[in-house]
Amino acid sequence: DQQVKQNSPSLSVQEGRISILNCDYTNSMFDYFLWYKKYPAEGPTFLISISSIKDKNEDGRFTVFLNKSAKHLSLHIVPSQPGDSAVYFCAATTLNMNRDDKIIFGKGTRLHILP
Amino acid sequence: SAVISQKPSRDICQRGTSLTIQCQVDSQVTMMFWYRQQPGQSLTLIATANQGSEATYESGFVIDKFPISRPNLTFSTLTVSNMSPEDSSIYLCSVARGPNYGYTFGSGTRLTVV
Repeated sequence: DQQVKQNSPSLSVQEGRISILNCDYTNSMFDYFLWYKKYPAEGPTFLISISSIKDKNEDGRFTVFLNKSAKHLSLHIVPSQPGDSAVYFCAATTLNMNRDDKIIFGKGTRLHILP
Repeated sequence: SAVISQKPSRDICQRGTSLTIQCQVDSQVTMMFWYRQQPGQSLTLIATANQGSEATYESGFVIDKFPISRPNLTFSTLTVSNMSPEDSSIYLCSVARGPNYGYTFGSGTRLTVV
């Protein structure tokens, strides 16, 4: 049973436009939601997170929106740049983050920024 | 945040052999985590390695297949034993940074078994 779902395996966006990556989850006990970015031949790197008590968190060009009632979150990248081309993983965890409350990852969405 | 050095970065191995992956962290950490990412799949936790105790394995992963060592607070190894082509994957080690930031990951080991 996938607790964190990214239903779009890939997404292509024109440079300068907005990229919107979506993520759904099933476990209402999650306290934090995170986005990771992964380039080929590199490990995932932390991008941005949001606490379950918030509905929006912004960091530069990156904004994450959380809709708890819909169990849905999205990552907005504005404006999209060529260096944003990567695989983006949505993840979720509880506050304790011990072994029993590990981070759960989605399958990832590959974002292509078109010139 | 911690810096993790992971090696090898990639390897091509014959089936039936074993490969040991090393992770070195630039600071002392209590727990280190080993993940696997199979093609088209999410990151899957293999085991959690605590210094001074046996690793704790997730469902579907066993010590005989993935023995882990954790000799001190900055180092861990994962061995993929008796490899088969199904073990072809990216293996990642990580350390926790708290719920706000999740994990810091090593650069990964891309393993191909032929």
